[in-house]
Amino acid sequence: NAGVTQTPKFQVLKTGQSMTLQCAQDMNHEYMSWYRQDPGMGLRLIHYSVGAGITDQGEVPNGYNVSRSTTEDFPLRLLSAAPSQTSVYFCASSYSRFAPSYEQYFGPGTRLTVT
Amino acid sequence: GNSVTQMEGPVTLSEEAFLTINCTYTATGYPSLFWYVQYPGEGLQLLLKATKADDKGSNKGFEATYRKETTSFHLEKGSVQVSDSAVYFCALSDWGSSNTGKLIFGQGTTLQVKP
Repeated sequence: NAGVTQTPKFQVLKTGQSMTLQCAQDMNHEYMSWYRQDPGMGLRLIHYSVGAGITDQGEVPNGYNVSRSTTEDFPLRLLSAAPSQTSVYFCASSYSRFAPSYEQYFGPGTRLTVT
Repeated sequence: GNSVTQMEGPVTLSEEAFLTINCTYTATGYPSLFWYVQYPGEGLQLLLKATKADDKGSNKGFEATYRKETTSFHLEKGSVQVSDSAVYFCALSDWGSSNTGKLIFGQGTTLQVKP
């Protein structure tokens, strides 16, 4: 198993540009989510999905869109990049959100800089 | 709302020293508690977990006990190695509160172990 994969690993955008961060998992996990990591703030949930076709907002969703057309893929779209979106983005997956003891598996992260 | 507070870092220790990283939480209900570790340039990996009061999670010489009476989940290791240098995150599952399945993270504690 490859686990959770993310592309690209690094990205530099100009303010106003759009892009998609890719995330895929090969573990047939029901639950997938996107977090952003900022210094001194831990990780904060952006969006999550409990299955194909079902997505919902986390605590910091503004400026981001998601979709889940397949179980495997959960892309994150930045509609119009802003410097405040400079961060490290992590995708995570878990067997089910209804089993809080289940481990969440994290991808290696995408480091995004918006100038 | 639910929250996690970790001790401020960075923590610098000599090899073979005893490690404690404090973690306290605020939560309604009965969350599961986790310690994740992030090695330089990598994503987060689950280090250990505990799903109910008085449970002790352990892995790779690290251990933490779920203390409901003090709302704590302190991470300990008896003898650290240089290879333990990383960022450590305490987290709780937001099960039963918001029902999003999300993890709520502390701000992270950087550990540096010197030879």
